[in-house]
Amino acid sequence: DAGVIQSPRHEVTEMGQEVTLRCKPISGHDYLFWYRQTMMRGLELLIYFNNNVPIDDSGMPEDRFSAKMPNASFSTLKIQPSEPRDSAVYFCASSLLRSRQETQYFGPGTRLLVL
Amino acid sequence: QKEVEQNSGPLSVPEGAIASLNCTYSDRGSQSFFWYRQYSGKSPELIMFIYSNGDKEDGRFTAQLNKASQYVSLLIRDSQPSDSATYLCAANTGNQFYFGTGTSLTVIP
Repeated sequence: DAGVIQSPRHEVTEMGQEVTLRCKPISGHDYLFWYRQTMMRGLELLIYFNNNVPIDDSGMPEDRFSAKMPNASFSTLKIQPSEPRDSAVYFCASSLLRSRQETQYFGPGTRLLVL
Repeated sequence: QKEVEQNSGPLSVPEGAIASLNCTYSDRGSQSFFWYRQYSGKSPELIMFIYSNGDKEDGRFTAQLNKASQYVSLLIRDSQPSDSATYLCAANTGNQFYFGTGTSLTVIP
């Protein structure tokens, strides 16, 4: 398996522009997570899906952020409009079951810089 | 109070020594605990998990869990320069994963 795939790997944009991050989870995994990581705040969970349904979006910082999962093999995280404080590494992770032994598998991340 | 707390470090140990990384959690309902290693510029990768009280050993790594004290630790024996990374502790509450902010470890040759 190719693992979790994220695109783009790097994104540089200007303040006010729309940014769309993409994720393809590991085939067969029924949980998908979006995280943001910064030096100051560490790894923060933004939202997660189970069977394509958003379960908990309490980590989404504000209305400028939205996430969708139209099918089991694709998810997007959109920021509109983007701001410099959104600069971070955004990780997507997937997991098979919520059993206690089950871990998450992380994608390579998207490094976002908003100027 | 954060769900999972770690000492951010940095922690420096000489090559060949034992590195001890610690983590506390606040939710007594947490079911399992994970240690991830993250190299600079890379994504987190799982080292090991533990869900029963006591020790769990895997090669040079030993995870320790004390549910009464809500404490998890990771010991790295015979530390190598390649172990230099940030180590993330995570708790699975059954509904969500919570990550600590990570401890930076440097192994000095």
